[in-house]
Amino acid sequence: DTGVSQDPRHKITKRGQNVTFRCDPISEHNRLYWYRQTLGQGPEFLTYFQNEAQLEKSRLLSDRFSAERPKGSFSTLEIQRTEQGDSAMYLCASSLAQGASRTEAFFGQGTRLTVV
Amino acid sequence: AQSVTQLDSHVSVSEGTPVLLRCNYSSSYSPSLFWYVQHPNKGLQLLLKYTSAATLVKGINGFEAEFKKSETSFHLTKPSAHMSDAAEYFCVVTYQTGANNLFFGTGTRLTVIP
Repeated sequence: DTGVSQDPRHKITKRGQNVTFRCDPISEHNRLYWYRQTLGQGPEFLTYFQNEAQLEKSRLLSDRFSAERPKGSFSTLEIQRTEQGDSAMYLCASSLAQGASRTEAFFGQGTRLTVV
Repeated sequence: AQSVTQLDSHVSVSEGTPVLLRCNYSSSYSPSLFWYVQHPNKGLQLLLKYTSAATLVKGINGFEAEFKKSETSFHLTKPSAHMSDAAEYFCVVTYQTGANNLFFGTGTRLTVIP
């Protein structure tokens, strides 16, 4: 399977704990996106990387959230001191951008986080 | 602000009848437009995309959409609904200039009645 892979698929954690999610994009894709989706809503942009550079962060990304893409390949999203409001589906997507041209974004199946 | 509006949160059709899911985007430079479908507990799957080529775009599973610049619309249609089409549909826009991320509509839930 050469699609976008996310791990874990589900995570249940106690409030106050730290969690880390991983995303493996399609190998030749240079752009990687993180989105958050709550029940009944569309995905909301969190952040995106072009290669290893984090080029944009949403205001939704509080200081408890941090994302990295150290080698321009896989990415991690960490949430520190989780709160119940962090419960959501976290989606990763990747695309290929070359100059003004870009492919569509391919999405992983998401990591569903439940904070209890 | 650059955004996309899906006019109906829920659409219900009978099996075999046409489907119309409406989407309008805020006018800006060189938009690229997409429709994604999300089945329960599944990831987002691309149905079709518009990237400044033909204004009538054909996608998978018999869906198509027409880009109308004068109306800033990109409505999704299908001539005959199938039970397997029941899902959540998202209209998505991205722009060549400005922010590079994808802007999602709030989604339209399609119900297909047997």
